[in-house]
Amino acid sequence: AQKITQTQPGMFVQEKEAVTLDCTYDTSDQSYGLFWYKQPSSGEMIFLIYQGSYDEQNATEGRYSLNFQKARKSANLVISASQLGDSAMYFCAMSRNFSSYKLIFGSGTRLLVRP
Amino acid sequence: ETGVTQTPRHLVMGMTNKKSLKCEQHLGHNAMYWYKQSAKKPLELMFVYSLEERVENNSVPSRFSPECPNSSHLFLHLHTLQPEDSALYLCASSQGLAGLYTGELFFGEGSRLTVL
Repeated sequence: AQKITQTQPGMFVQEKEAVTLDCTYDTSDQSYGLFWYKQPSSGEMIFLIYQGSYDEQNATEGRYSLNFQKARKSANLVISASQLGDSAMYFCAMSRNFSSYKLIFGSGTRLLVRP
Repeated sequence: ETGVTQTPRHLVMGMTNKKSLKCEQHLGHNAMYWYKQSAKKPLELMFVYSLEERVENNSVPSRFSPECPNSSHLFLHLHTLQPEDSALYLCASSQGLAGLYTGELFFGEGSRLTVL
């Protein structure tokens, strides 16, 4: 069965520093997608970044990058130069194949950025 | 303001009440979703509509009844709920189901439901 594991329930980071949020996944599929979403206190889930299982290069979107290690089944999110507005819940998710709408979400990591 | 609007933002209801949650998307998308977010549990997919046809009912109890009258609106009708149904209910939309190739689900801010 597909599963997403986020082992860090909460993390602190100093403003302007980088932080890595861990995500490991379990799947027997050859093709799958990995995603990160941010959920601020307002409740809205905001898409951050996507990595396809066949993508050889790590995905990057501005200050966000996804450290994809396929053999280790990990898809860690790296946020560079943290800002106070980055304080939020972060969820890792996986789709079973490139066009599956059934996203499987992890339990999330709460990130707090200290000034 | 987001492209997906949910009302009400907060709802308190008794177990015998009937209420509805409303979702409206202004993005021209043709797929809409209901997710449930409970405390200390991962986000759970409930229902999926594509082109106004339901394509997924993820083993959701019949006390939750979805309705998609057109591609811009999605409702979740609630009847005879239980206290364990208290949660944040999130609506999302995408341009076709294949829109998830890039992970671009657009979410609303959710409706916080409390069942007494």
